[in-house]
Amino acid sequence: DFVMTQSPDSLAVSLGERATIKCKSSQSVLYSPNNKNYLSWFQQKPGQPPKLLIYWASIRESGIPDRFSGSGSGSDFTLTISSLQPEDVAVYYCHQYFDSPWTFGQGTKVEIK
Amino acid sequence: QVQVQESGPGLVKPSQTLSLTCTVPGGSFNSGGQYYWNWIRQVPGKGLEWIGCIHWSGTPNYNPSLRSRVTISVDTSQTHFSLNLSSVTAADTAVYYCARGIDSRKCQHWGQGTLVTVSS
Repeated sequence: DFVMTQSPDSLAVSLGERATIKCKSSQSVLYSPNNKNYLSWFQQKPGQPPKLLIYWASIRESGIPDRFSGSGSGSDFTLTISSLQPEDVAVYYCHQYFDSPWTFGQGTKVEIK
Repeated sequence: QVQVQESGPGLVKPSQTLSLTCTVPGGSFNSGGQYYWNWIRQVPGKGLEWIGCIHWSGTPNYNPSLRSRVTISVDTSQTHFSLNLSSVTAADTAVYYCARGIDSRKCQHWGQGTLVTVSS
């Protein structure tokens, strides 16, 4: 199985400051025929289902604010929130859908400092 | 905004079979066959575990950790798809989500989830 490891497990950031979450896969999720990384990022708020933020590692889902961005390739990825807003308090998960079984990171909890 | 919706019993006895259904309220379940239909679960307060999926063009794909107990199937009238998880224990207590996606984002649209408790 692809093991997805996120860091840190939690972080507290001041409003308006940058939040950075790392995700490392135990194997590459880059699909060579189309040069796409099968890596997505989700946001989950309490009592709600996960919400897709980023897919193919760096493409923002429709309706997602541009303060959210994804980067990386192969096995190392980053989710950045450029200017943290109160509504961004949530748990964030990375997710590989390159190979079965699809797997998720353990989650990173983002709070306001 | 695509909506998907889970339904099923909220309480299942140990050793019995958990059965859930996922529908697309007011929409078409089968639209060209490019979709992935997934089941994912989350133990309260814990992370996400992918159970398996069914793609229109192929056979179901299961997480090996659950493969011996899981069946994902599509209703022959193509109005919904289902999850059956046999021989449940307390460890199967979780919120179960169905999610629809396409190749670029295989778990794009999620239902609200349904909590299933395994208890006698």
